[in-house]
Amino acid sequence: AQSVSQHNHHVILSEAASLELGCNYSYGGTVNLFWYVQYPGQHLQLLLKYFSGDPLVKGIKGFEAEFIKSKFSFNLRKPSVQWSDTAEYFCAVTRNTNAGKSTFGDGTTLTVKP
Amino acid sequence: DAGVIQSPRHEVTEMGQEVTLRCKPISGHNSLFWYRQTMMRGLELLIYFNNNVPIDDSGMPEDRFSAKMPNASFSTLKIQPSEPRDSAVYFCASRGLGAGNYNEQFFGPGTRLTVL
Repeated sequence: AQSVSQHNHHVILSEAASLELGCNYSYGGTVNLFWYVQYPGQHLQLLLKYFSGDPLVKGIKGFEAEFIKSKFSFNLRKPSVQWSDTAEYFCAVTRNTNAGKSTFGDGTTLTVKP
Repeated sequence: DAGVIQSPRHEVTEMGQEVTLRCKPISGHNSLFWYRQTMMRGLELLIYFNNNVPIDDSGMPEDRFSAKMPNASFSTLKIQPSEPRDSAVYFCASRGLGAGNYNEQFFGPGTRLTVL
């Protein structure tokens, strides 16, 4: 069965610091990759996604992620975080099969101190 | 489009009562997912449907939980009887298929369930 690992459970940064959140998955076949964000008290929203092509994907609010197939990784990055980025971040993987179930990581809580 | 619609937004009930959560997916989407989110267990997939057919219900905790999707525009998640440990936020999400790829899921606002 596929699995998704997010190594950092809680990250605390000061404003303007750079961010990198790790995400590794276990499935060796073709996958679609996603990062979702959940602001306090809200539902999950898509930050960015990767299906094919350029492995460096740019999303909303200055976020980007790089797909490294050899490392089964899809790390999320932002060069300079803001207080408003405080949220929980989820990595998700969908196998490109007819079943199409998405597997979510456990989430990483990011706290940005003003 | 109004997005994924869930009702009620909040539900407070007593242990033993039946609870029914409702979801209306985005029009044209053909996959629907039910998730449960708690502090202790995080985000858990309970069940999902493709074209109104349940594909994987392995995440449903026990027989007290049941889900139906009678048509493409409506799904219910029922808990009978409810227990305090069922207290959580329940999210519904829908997804459309596109050219062999699986697009992102769109989440509803969630139903916050409290069982006393």
